[in-house]
Amino acid sequence: GDSVTQMEGPVTLSEEAFLTINCTYTATGYPSLFWYVQYPGEGLQLLLKATKADDKGSNKGFEATYRKETTSFHLEKGSVQVSDSAVYFCALSEGTGGFKTIFGAGTRLFVKA
Amino acid sequence: DGGITQSPKYLFRKEGQNVTLSCEQNLNHDAMYWYRQDPGQGLRLIYYSQIVNDFQKGDIAEGYSVSREKKESFPLTVTSAQKNPTAFYLCASSMEREAADTQYFGPGTRLTVL
Repeated sequence: GDSVTQMEGPVTLSEEAFLTINCTYTATGYPSLFWYVQYPGEGLQLLLKATKADDKGSNKGFEATYRKETTSFHLEKGSVQVSDSAVYFCALSEGTGGFKTIFGAGTRLFVKA
Repeated sequence: DGGITQSPKYLFRKEGQNVTLSCEQNLNHDAMYWYRQDPGQGLRLIYYSQIVNDFQKGDIAEGYSVSREKKESFPLTVTSAQKNPTAFYLCASSMEREAADTQYFGPGTRLTVL
């Protein structure tokens, strides 16, 4: 079945450091890919998404490119801030007649001032 | 302001009691979902509903029940049959017109069994 694997955390960075959180997926078809972010004590919110191969999703300085050849959707940001501290979830969705979203286990990011 | 509300934010239950978690949305979304989140784990799907008066079991439906009598509302009951109910519960909704549709999440309810 479909699955999402993302790097284990926690990831601890200093402010202004470069961030990469790896995500790879397994799917039978051509899924849409998402990154969601969860701030402490809150629900998830969409960070960015990509719907087809070579698409790049971007938002708030974060980027991820849909790489079909490597089945990956790595999240990157050039310069993190303390306010980026959160848990990041990679996810995929595909299918017809009822879409199920598969979430990765989440990667916790701590950014130190 | 459109969005999803969940109540209560914190809930305590004694063993052997049923408890109902509320989820309401005013986004006019067709589909609604309930997830369970445990520390260090991803989200696991409990139930989902694509249309009023219809719902489907997710991956971990045992010990839970839902209803979808109105488009806006999708309450989850955690029954005494759920052996380990302490967790963070998230409700979500989406248009579900295509796989690329975003899910919108509520703020969650943290359930603790005493």
